[in-house]
Amino acid sequence: AAGVIQSPRHLIKEKRETATLKCYPIPRHDTVYWYQQGPGQDPQFLISFYEKMQSDKGSIPDRFSAQQFSDYHSELNMSSLELGDSALYFCASSARSSGQGAYGYTFGSGTRLTVV
Amino acid sequence: AQSVTQPDIHITVSEGASLELRCNYSYGATPYLFWYVQSPGQGLQLLLKYFSGDTLVQGIKGFEAEFKRSQSSFNLRKPSVHWSDAAEYFCAAGAGSQGNLIFGKGTKLSVKP
Repeated sequence: AAGVIQSPRHLIKEKRETATLKCYPIPRHDTVYWYQQGPGQDPQFLISFYEKMQSDKGSIPDRFSAQQFSDYHSELNMSSLELGDSALYFCASSARSSGQGAYGYTFGSGTRLTVV
Repeated sequence: AQSVTQPDIHITVSEGASLELRCNYSYGATPYLFWYVQSPGQGLQLLLKYFSGDTLVQGIKGFEAEFKRSQSSFNLRKPSVHWSDAAEYFCAAGAGSQGNLIFGKGTKLSVKP
């Protein structure tokens, strides 16, 4: 079965650079979620999109922005990177119209961002 | 405020022994409840979830969890632990229509031979 695809798997950036993470949800999933997991930390919700509109917002820094495109893939754009942005970034998708609704989650394998 | 608490940061059990990982939640209403497992540097694998109905939920890899409303708990259990179960375990909860999850701080499981 198709899963949530995240790219790249690993990314190394220098401080003050920008980074773009991509997420391709499972086909026919209409909702995408982004989470950030710092070293030794629990995943923290950043932002979500439903039908290409921002649905909910968590602890996403102002330096970050995201969007969901017409093909439902999503991109997380991160500017003025700081050392503290080094983390594993997870994307998840769900189909709100399904029986399990928004909570029928599937997580991607994550993008590991290292800021040096 | 909504929260998920995993009281045990680190647990060590012997291979073949039983396991119980604790999870408590604080929500206005009963949330959706999940257990995920994560190996170092890897993604989150769903073990099981509770939406409604039978309070004893069966998951993958021989895990089960029991929802207890009176205790606001959703503890994960396994009757006999295998060395390959060593990993970090996260309890998570969600409520409302938006779908975002709140995770506990995680419990690291070590398995000794």
